[in-house]
Amino acid sequence: ETGVTQTPRHLVMGMTNKKSLKCEQHLGHNAMYWYKQSAKKPLELMFVYSLEERVENNSVPSRFSPECPNSSHLFLHLHTLQPEDSALYLCASSPHHRGNQPQHFGDGTRLSIL
Amino acid sequence: AQTVTQSQPEMSVQEAETVTLSCTYDTSESDYYLFWYKQPPSRQMILVIRQEAYKQQNATENRFSVNFQKAAKSFSLKISDSQLGDAAMYFCAYTTGSARQLTFGSGTQLTVLP
Repeated sequence: ETGVTQTPRHLVMGMTNKKSLKCEQHLGHNAMYWYKQSAKKPLELMFVYSLEERVENNSVPSRFSPECPNSSHLFLHLHTLQPEDSALYLCASSPHHRGNQPQHFGDGTRLSIL
Repeated sequence: AQTVTQSQPEMSVQEAETVTLSCTYDTSESDYYLFWYKQPPSRQMILVIRQEAYKQQNATENRFSVNFQKAAKSFSLKISDSQLGDAAMYFCAYTTGSARQLTFGSGTQLTVLP
């Protein structure tokens, strides 16, 4: 039981498809995050939600659309993606969105764009 | 801008031996926090150890300890009595007390040789 569950574990999609990544945390945390992990590159923060409000958006293209319906669930809606979007997408949560709180990560969704 | 540098893309260690992974960071802040995360092949990022910048004492967690040199902006991780299960990608990360995000290094792939 990781505390942070991501589905699906793997996703292959064409550039014209629409799909969603799901993240659920069972830790009672108030902040949730989406990261992109590409090969040979540091993790890149995409979005931060605190108490269901988006508090950070790191210049992510609009083809990525996050949704946080409640503090336990976080979605990343994908539309018209590009080959360079192929990566591991990690979700994380923390008690609060202040930086000194350790983040707990899920196992990630491996996304491949054809 | 804050940066985190891990200069060793790959390291290897013999089982039961000790290995040190390097990390340097650049910041003008005085209130900040440093972390080491481990990412095994299962992909989940696991917090290994955390250091508050205001604490002079080096953090220790069982076989894992850090050498925090604040003036040199260095934060190395020492793994003692290395075990096969320690094989993973290790990421150094930095944040400030008021920040909403972690800044990660590019990672060090650790191989443990039997």
